[in-house]
Amino acid sequence: SAVISQKPSRDICQRGTSLTIQCQVDSQVTMMFWYRQQPGQSLTLIATANQGSEATYESGFVIDKFPISRPNLTFSTLTVSNMSPEDSSIYLCSVVWTSGATDEQFFGPGTRLTVL
Amino acid sequence: RKEVEQDPGPFNVPEGATVAFNCTYSNSASQSFFWYRQDCRKEPKLLMSVYSSGNEDGRFTAQLNRASQYISLLIRDSKLSDSATYLCVVNPDGQNFVFGPGTRLSVLP
Repeated sequence: SAVISQKPSRDICQRGTSLTIQCQVDSQVTMMFWYRQQPGQSLTLIATANQGSEATYESGFVIDKFPISRPNLTFSTLTVSNMSPEDSSIYLCSVVWTSGATDEQFFGPGTRLTVL
Repeated sequence: RKEVEQDPGPFNVPEGATVAFNCTYSNSASQSFFWYRQDCRKEPKLLMSVYSSGNEDGRFTAQLNRASQYISLLIRDSKLSDSATYLCVVNPDGQNFVFGPGTRLSVLP
């Protein structure tokens, strides 16, 4: 499986500011995703990070609020812009790894964001 | 109907008990299925893939019923360390992974 790291692991930010989260994978992967998980909730897909092109956003998420970069097959960033307390959440990077005949999904350790 | 549905629980069971979770999915064309485990304040971790013929890994058994569109996870001889949230995940189109809301399990001493 792939080893995924995220930076920062946690942050406390003031409303109106922006935070960029980095995701680094130890192997080249085609598919990389960004999820959000609010307290006590399941995971919500924000977007698919596409290498060399604009990210594909899910309903309810827009590029202006969550710009994503994917400069190569091992790295991506998610920016949470103009933050409000409602953005307080865990943000998770994930990748798809092919194991045998099955594509399996693995997650980074997450970034815990608190917005004051 | 939601794409993936699970009973949120919590399931409170004594140590040594057998417990089963079901998960239903709406897309009959779904291709692959998984169970993930998520501990409190941690990221989800793949527990097992679910194969058409069913599969077993130690105390854990996963089954797929395509006709009724559900998958199940059976845990035998529950341990305290099995306490976690168990997420059902369905890959409906070979590209996207849809997560269920999770089932919380507490194994009690």
